[in-house]
Amino acid sequence: DIQMTQSPSTLSASVGDRVTITCRASQTINTYLAWYQQKPGEAPKILIYKASTLQTGVPSRFSGSGSGTEFTFTISSLQPDDFATYYCQQYSTFPLTFGGGSKVDIK
Amino acid sequence: EVQLVESGGGLVRPGGSLRLSCTASGFIFTDRYMDWVRQAPGQGPEWVARIRNKPNSYTTEYATSVKGRFTVSRDDSKNSIFLQMDSLRTEDTAIYYCARDLQVGNAFDVWGQGTMVTVSS
Repeated sequence: DIQMTQSPSTLSASVGDRVTITCRASQTINTYLAWYQQKPGEAPKILIYKASTLQTGVPSRFSGSGSGTEFTFTISSLQPDDFATYYCQQYSTFPLTFGGGSKVDIK
Repeated sequence: EVQLVESGGGLVRPGGSLRLSCTASGFIFTDRYMDWVRQAPGQGPEWVARIRNKPNSYTTEYATSVKGRFTVSRDDSKNSIFLQMDSLRTEDTAIYYCARDLQVGNAFDVWGQGTMVTVSS
Protein backbone atom coordinates (compact mmCIF):
# COMPACT_ATOMS: atom_id res chain seq x y z
CA ASP A 1 0.00 0.00 0.00
CA ILE A 2 1.14 3.58 -0.65
CA GLN A 3 1.74 5.44 2.61
CA MET A 4 0.87 9.15 2.73
CA THR A 5 2.72 11.23 5.32
CA GLN A 6 1.53 14.74 6.16
CA SER A 7 3.34 17.46 8.07
CA PRO A 8 2.82 19.20 10.32
CA SER A 9 0.17 17.23 12.21
CA THR A 10 -0.92 20.43 13.98
CA LEU A 11 -0.40 24.03 12.97
CA SER A 12 -1.35 27.15 14.95
CA ALA A 13 -2.01 30.23 12.84
CA SER A 14 -3.80 33.56 12.80
CA VAL A 15 -6.33 35.01 10.40
CA GLY A 16 -4.47 36.42 7.42
CA ASP A 17 -1.49 34.05 7.74
CA ARG A 18 -0.13 32.01 4.85
CA VAL A 19 -0.39 28.32 5.70
CA THR A 20 1.50 25.48 4.02
CA ILE A 21 1.02 21.74 4.52
CA THR A 22 3.21 19.03 3.01
CA CYS A 23 2.21 15.55 1.90
CA ARG A 24 4.73 12.88 0.94
CA ALA A 25 3.91 9.62 -0.82
CA SER A 26 5.93 6.45 -0.19
CA GLN A 27 6.14 5.89 -3.97
CA THR A 28 5.46 7.98 -7.00
CA ILE A 29 1.81 8.86 -7.65
CA ASN A 30 2.26 11.26 -10.59
CA THR A 31 -0.28 14.03 -9.81
CA TYR A 32 -3.04 11.71 -8.57
CA LEU A 33 -3.51 13.57 -5.33
CA ALA A 34 -6.52 15.23 -3.71
CA TRP A 35 -6.85 17.53 -0.70
CA TYR A 36 -9.86 17.60 1.62
CA GLN A 37 -11.03 19.86 4.42
CA GLN A 38 -12.93 18.40 7.38
CA LYS A 39 -14.64 20.23 10.21
CA PRO A 40 -15.83 18.52 13.43
CA GLY A 41 -19.00 16.52 12.93
CA GLU A 42 -18.92 16.90 9.15
CA ALA A 43 -17.85 14.74 6.23
CA PRO A 44 -14.66 15.67 4.37
CA LYS A 45 -15.04 18.16 1.54
CA ILE A 46 -12.86 18.00 -1.55
CA LEU A 47 -10.86 21.16 -2.27
CA ILE A 48 -8.26 20.13 -4.85
CA TYR A 49 -7.71 17.18 -7.18
CA LYS A 50 -5.00 16.23 -9.64
CA ALA A 51 -2.59 17.92 -7.22
CA SER A 52 -3.44 21.46 -8.30
CA THR A 53 -6.95 21.64 -9.82
CA LEU A 54 -9.41 23.59 -7.67
CA GLN A 55 -12.80 21.91 -7.27
CA THR A 56 -15.71 24.02 -8.50
CA GLY A 57 -16.80 26.58 -5.92
CA VAL A 58 -13.65 26.42 -3.80
CA PRO A 59 -12.09 29.85 -3.04
CA SER A 60 -8.92 30.75 -4.89
CA ARG A 61 -6.96 31.27 -1.64
CA PHE A 62 -6.56 27.48 -1.64
CA SER A 63 -3.90 26.00 -3.94
CA GLY A 64 -1.91 22.85 -4.43
CA SER A 65 1.29 21.86 -6.18
CA GLY A 66 3.69 19.00 -6.64
CA SER A 67 4.11 15.72 -8.49
CA GLY A 68 5.75 12.36 -7.98
CA THR A 69 6.13 12.00 -4.21
CA GLU A 70 6.16 15.56 -2.80
CA PHE A 71 3.09 17.77 -2.61
CA THR A 72 2.20 21.09 -1.04
CA PHE A 73 -1.13 22.58 -0.02
CA THR A 74 -1.33 26.31 0.65
CA ILE A 75 -3.90 28.72 2.04
CA SER A 76 -2.70 32.16 0.93
CA SER A 77 -4.57 34.17 3.58
CA LEU A 78 -6.22 32.16 6.35
CA GLN A 79 -9.87 32.99 6.97
CA PRO A 80 -11.97 32.19 10.08
CA ASP A 81 -13.84 29.47 8.16
CA ASP A 82 -10.56 27.69 7.34
CA PHE A 83 -9.81 26.40 10.84
CA ALA A 84 -10.21 22.68 10.23
CA THR A 85 -8.29 19.47 9.56
CA TYR A 86 -6.86 18.87 6.09
CA TYR A 87 -6.14 15.49 4.51
CA CYS A 88 -4.31 14.46 1.39
CA GLN A 89 -5.37 11.33 -0.52
CA GLN A 90 -3.61 9.44 -3.30
CA TYR A 91 -5.63 7.88 -6.07
CA SER A 92 -2.87 6.51 -8.24
CA THR A 93 -3.21 2.93 -7.03
CA PHE A 94 -5.63 0.78 -5.07
CA PRO A 95 -5.99 0.67 -2.15
CA LEU A 96 -6.69 4.39 -2.07
CA THR A 97 -5.00 5.93 0.96
CA PHE A 98 -5.20 9.11 3.02
CA GLY A 99 -2.63 11.04 4.98
CA GLY A 100 -2.90 11.31 8.75
CA GLY A 101 -4.22 14.85 8.69
CA SER A 102 -3.03 18.38 9.51
CA LYS A 103 -5.12 20.31 12.01
CA VAL A 104 -5.08 24.09 11.59
CA ASP A 105 -6.08 25.79 14.81
CA ILE A 106 -6.18 29.32 16.16
CA LYS A 107 -2.93 30.73 17.53
CA GLU B 1 -29.54 18.87 -5.08
CA VAL B 2 -26.93 16.12 -5.14
CA GLN B 3 -27.31 14.01 -2.02
CA LEU B 4 -26.18 10.73 -0.48
CA VAL B 5 -27.99 9.33 2.55
CA GLU B 6 -26.60 6.38 4.53
CA SER B 7 -28.50 4.12 6.89
CA GLY B 8 -28.11 0.83 8.71
CA GLY B 9 -25.48 1.61 11.32
CA GLY B 10 -25.72 0.47 14.93
CA LEU B 11 -24.22 -1.60 17.72
CA VAL B 12 -23.10 -5.14 16.90
CA ARG B 13 -21.11 -7.79 18.75
CA PRO B 14 -17.68 -8.90 17.51
CA GLY B 15 -18.16 -11.61 14.90
CA GLY B 16 -21.55 -10.25 13.94
CA SER B 17 -22.89 -8.80 10.69
CA LEU B 18 -24.43 -5.54 9.54
CA ARG B 19 -25.65 -4.21 6.20
CA LEU B 20 -25.29 -0.53 5.35
CA SER B 21 -27.28 1.24 2.65
CA CYS B 22 -26.71 4.48 0.76
CA THR B 23 -29.33 6.12 -1.45
CA ALA B 24 -28.34 8.73 -4.00
CA SER B 25 -30.33 11.55 -5.55
CA GLY B 26 -29.77 14.58 -7.73
CA PHE B 27 -27.45 13.01 -10.32
CA ILE B 28 -27.34 10.21 -12.89
CA PHE B 29 -26.43 7.35 -10.56
CA THR B 30 -25.70 4.82 -13.31
CA ASP B 31 -22.87 6.99 -14.65
CA ARG B 32 -20.84 6.94 -11.46
CA TYR B 33 -18.55 4.71 -9.47
CA MET B 34 -19.37 4.70 -5.77
CA ASP B 35 -17.32 4.10 -2.64
CA TRP B 36 -17.45 3.47 1.08
CA VAL B 37 -15.00 5.38 3.27
CA ARG B 38 -14.83 5.03 7.04
CA GLN B 39 -13.38 7.10 9.84
CA ALA B 40 -12.63 5.70 13.27
CA PRO B 41 -13.04 8.06 16.25
CA GLY B 42 -10.24 10.64 16.27
CA GLN B 43 -8.60 9.16 13.16
CA GLY B 44 -8.29 10.12 9.50
CA PRO B 45 -10.47 8.67 6.74
CA GLU B 46 -9.82 5.15 5.49
CA TRP B 47 -11.09 4.03 2.08
CA VAL B 48 -13.02 0.74 2.35
CA ALA B 49 -14.53 -0.34 -0.98
CA ARG B 50 -15.35 0.73 -4.53
CA ILE B 51 -18.00 -0.47 -6.96
CA ARG B 52 -17.87 0.58 -10.60
CA ASN B 53 -20.86 1.01 -12.88
CA LYS B 54 -22.55 -1.32 -15.37
CA PRO B 55 -20.36 -0.34 -18.39
CA ASN B 56 -17.42 -1.42 -16.22
CA SER B 57 -19.08 -4.70 -15.21
CA TYR B 58 -19.79 -3.61 -11.63
CA THR B 59 -16.25 -4.57 -10.70
CA THR B 60 -15.14 -3.99 -7.13
CA GLU B 61 -12.05 -3.12 -5.08
CA TYR B 62 -11.47 -3.54 -1.35
CA ALA B 63 -9.09 -2.34 1.32
CA THR B 64 -6.78 -5.07 2.60
CA SER B 65 -8.27 -4.75 6.08
CA VAL B 66 -11.78 -5.73 4.93
CA LYS B 67 -11.15 -8.04 1.96
CA GLY B 68 -13.01 -11.33 2.41
CA ARG B 69 -15.25 -9.90 5.15
CA PHE B 70 -17.05 -6.98 3.45
CA THR B 71 -19.01 -7.02 0.18
CA VAL B 72 -20.09 -3.94 -1.75
CA SER B 73 -23.03 -4.08 -4.16
CA ARG B 74 -25.40 -1.72 -5.93
CA ASP B 75 -28.98 -1.64 -7.19
CA ASP B 76 -29.24 0.89 -10.01
CA SER B 77 -33.04 0.62 -10.03
CA LYS B 78 -33.02 2.06 -6.49
CA ASN B 79 -30.07 4.45 -6.90
CA SER B 80 -28.45 2.64 -4.01
CA ILE B 81 -25.28 0.97 -2.90
CA PHE B 82 -24.82 -1.43 -0.02
CA LEU B 83 -22.04 -2.68 2.23
CA GLN B 84 -22.48 -6.13 3.73
CA MET B 85 -20.13 -6.39 6.70
CA ASP B 86 -19.48 -9.86 8.15
CA SER B 87 -17.09 -11.15 10.83
CA LEU B 88 -17.00 -7.68 12.35
CA ARG B 89 -14.11 -6.74 14.64
CA THR B 90 -13.77 -4.03 17.27
CA GLU B 91 -11.39 -2.19 14.92
CA ASP B 92 -14.23 -1.82 12.39
CA THR B 93 -15.86 0.71 14.74
CA ALA B 94 -16.18 3.93 12.73
CA ILE B 95 -18.43 6.35 10.94
CA TYR B 96 -19.10 4.87 7.49
CA TYR B 97 -19.51 7.35 4.66
CA CYS B 98 -20.88 6.73 1.21
CA ALA B 99 -18.98 8.79 -1.38
CA ARG B 100 -19.27 9.51 -5.08
CA ASP B 101 -16.30 9.10 -7.38
CA LEU B 102 -15.01 12.32 -8.93
CA GLN B 103 -15.29 10.80 -12.44
CA VAL B 104 -12.02 12.38 -13.57
CA GLY B 105 -10.09 10.48 -10.92
CA ASN B 106 -10.51 8.19 -7.95
CA ALA B 107 -11.17 10.97 -5.47
CA PHE B 108 -14.51 11.76 -3.84
CA ASP B 109 -16.55 14.82 -4.72
CA VAL B 110 -19.77 14.12 -2.79
CA TRP B 111 -20.09 12.52 0.65
CA GLY B 112 -23.06 11.44 2.73
CA GLN B 113 -23.53 12.42 6.37
CA GLY B 114 -22.27 9.04 7.56
CA THR B 115 -23.68 6.23 9.69
CA MET B 116 -22.02 5.06 12.91
CA VAL B 117 -21.05 1.42 13.36
CA THR B 118 -19.96 0.30 16.81
CA VAL B 119 -18.53 -3.18 17.30
CA SER B 120 -18.40 -4.02 20.99
CA SER B 121 -19.24 -6.81 23.39
